[in-house]
Amino acid sequence: QSVLTQPPSVSGAPGQRVTISCTGSSSNIGAGYDVHWYQQLPGTAPKLLIYGNSNRPSGVPDRFSDSKSGTSASLAISGLEAEDEADYYCQSYDSSLSGMVFGGGTKLTVL
Amino acid sequence: QVQLQESGPGLVKPSETLSLTCSVSGASISSYYWSWIRQPPGKGLEWIGYIHFSGSTTYNPSIKSRLIISLDRSKNQFSLKLTSVTAADTAVYYCARVPPYSYGYYFDYWGQGALVTVSS
Repeated sequence: QSVLTQPPSVSGAPGQRVTISCTGSSSNIGAGYDVHWYQQLPGTAPKLLIYGNSNRPSGVPDRFSDSKSGTSASLAISGLEAEDEADYYCQSYDSSLSGMVFGGGTKLTVL
Repeated sequence: QVQLQESGPGLVKPSETLSLTCSVSGASISSYYWSWIRQPPGKGLEWIGYIHFSGSTTYNPSIKSRLIISLDRSKNQFSLKLTSVTAADTAVYYCARVPPYSYGYYFDYWGQGALVTVSS
C-alpha cells in the first residue's frame, strides 16, 4: 500500500486532456512538501517530468502541468499524444518517515 | 551529461546479501545526495534510502535493519548492500541523484536499472 494514492489507470483519446490525481496526508503533501512527477515508458527507467512548483526539465513539453491543493496534487496532460502512453508516478517527502514516498503509479492509455 | 550505471550480480540466493554499485559520470559524488529505488516486477516504485556526500544516510524504515548504503569517493561510486534477502526483494534496482531542494527531495537523474532476482 503506497503512502500516496493514485488511480490505477486513466485513458484518453489523442488531442484530449487527462488528469492524474495524487492524494497524500498531513505528513507529506499537506505538510507543504512539493509533489514531483515521473514518466516511465515501458521497459525503461523513470524520467523526471515535473519537479517543485511546476518546473519542467529541459525537453519536457508544456503540455504537462501540475497543481497542488491541501493534501492532494494532480498532473494534467493536454493535447494527448500516442507517445504519452506510459506509467506516471507522483512522489513527495514524508516527515513521519523522514524519507521519500511514491504513489502506486497510474497507467495512461491513449485510445 | 550526468549518467548513472548500476552493476552487480543478477541472481542472489535467499538469506544471502544483495550488493550493487552505482557508477556516476558527469557529476561528482562529493556533491548532492545519492539514492536507491527499487521496483518489483509489475509493481510500483519504492524508495530504499539515500546517502549525503558527507556520508550520512537515511533509510526506508521498512528495510532499515538490513540495509547499508556507502560512498567510494575515489571511484565516484556509491553502493547498496541488503542482507538476508528473500524473494520479496526481487526487483529492478535503480540508482538516482537527489539535487538540493528546500521543499522536499526528488530524483533528477536515474540509472537504467539492474534486475536482481532472489532465488535458489
